[in-house]
Amino acid sequence: GEDVEQSLFLSVREGDSSVINCTYTDSSSTYLYWYKQEPGAGLQLLTYIFSNMDMKQDQRLTVLLNKKDKHLSLRIADTQTGDSAIYFCAESIPGYALNFGKGTSLLVTP
Amino acid sequence: DSGVTQTPKHLITATGQRVTLRCSPRSGDLSVYWYQQSLDQGLQFLIQYYNGEERAKGNILERFSAQQFPDLHSELNLSSLELGDSALYFCASSVVGGTDEQYFGPGTRLTVT
Repeated sequence: GEDVEQSLFLSVREGDSSVINCTYTDSSSTYLYWYKQEPGAGLQLLTYIFSNMDMKQDQRLTVLLNKKDKHLSLRIADTQTGDSAIYFCAESIPGYALNFGKGTSLLVTP
Repeated sequence: DSGVTQTPKHLITATGQRVTLRCSPRSGDLSVYWYQQSLDQGLQFLIQYYNGEERAKGNILERFSAQQFPDLHSELNLSSLELGDSALYFCASSVVGGTDEQYFGPGTRLTVT
């Protein structure tokens, strides 16, 4: 698939907000997803947004989508040490495979 | 727990050998996807099955094959293994329809020596 780009690393202090950014190129993608991978574990689906939405909020998570710029972001409010993980952005057309970015490693320091 | 199970959790084998990875999807999910995760390539889609039939192929090598059985579990067969096949292999399942979220299993870590 086309490239999904993410920055590789982000470090924040506990209690601060984290913002993880992603850009995608496939205009036909209708859903965009955020997955979390903790060390030695599988991928956990965090949230997703339909491509005709601008924003979705789910507890501490806020997803913003700028379809014109093909830019997606995940904001984690009140970041905790347990949020330290790799976060993957992915795009797809439902019913077909996910196209993943390389992942952003989030380190939360006390 | 996503409801997707994969066995074995770890597999160590030698070059040239053949292995089979197994995946059981979530109850009610008809579609199974296989992905490979490696440090240099990231997460790459290999192949998708839907209700027993192959639906889509990604970057799957000819040495690799898969199938989905009538009970909907799936197996990924890797043969003539090379050192570069060492990776985490994930299975995911989805309903197919609506928002079609994919839920991932814990993965099988394959080490080829």
